[in-house]
Amino acid sequence: QKEVEQDPGPLSVPEGAIVSLNCTYSNSAFQYFMWYRQYSRKGPELLMYTYSSGNKEDGRFTAQVDKSSKYISLFIRDSQPSDSATYLCAMSAVDSGYALNFGKGTSLLVTP
Amino acid sequence: NAGVTQTPKFRVLKTGQSMTLLCAQDMNHEYMYWYRQDPGMGLRLIHYSVGEGTTAKGEVPDGYNVSRLKKQNFLLGLESAAPSQTSVYFCASTHPGNQPQHFGDGTRLSIL
Repeated sequence: QKEVEQDPGPLSVPEGAIVSLNCTYSNSAFQYFMWYRQYSRKGPELLMYTYSSGNKEDGRFTAQVDKSSKYISLFIRDSQPSDSATYLCAMSAVDSGYALNFGKGTSLLVTP
Repeated sequence: NAGVTQTPKFRVLKTGQSMTLLCAQDMNHEYMYWYRQDPGMGLRLIHYSVGEGTTAKGEVPDGYNVSRLKKQNFLLGLESAAPSQTSVYFCASTHPGNQPQHFGDGTRLSIL
């Protein structure tokens, strides 16, 4: 079993919908939590970065981390067709050189 | 400011051939990483380096070697390529501590 679990989808929503993406993990040593967005044939692009538990908001994006439940979420408000991409959750710990442990990614399609 | 640059972008090899993938970063980052991305598997860590002259194994290191002779460069070598090494390879870098990783756009490698 992978340390990080993420539903691969695909997830299809209409433009303007609120999108909820989530990951669960098993390693309690993880302290740093990230969401990356990846377009086809491109490298992962950082969307949100959170240290430890709590919420973080940036424009239409909100990231939540619940370390007690080992659960992280990304919410996208007023979704746009340009948000169509694969969303990767990732997390890291100090004792492994901050190397990232990724979920498998969720494919999102926002239809006009 | 180029960020993380990977060379080459595409390559086709025959089984048994060797090659080196180059990663260069211009952000003066201490830590560098090599990941591979396969369908249904997500990104997995191959090797990483926490400084010039140091390397460490990740989740899937077999069949690969790495070198970090200069702080800005991290090389990934395949000594005897196998079809199972067909993948997209991503390099990333970061400062240690509370900083996210920055990714290159990947090298697509096919081994026949």
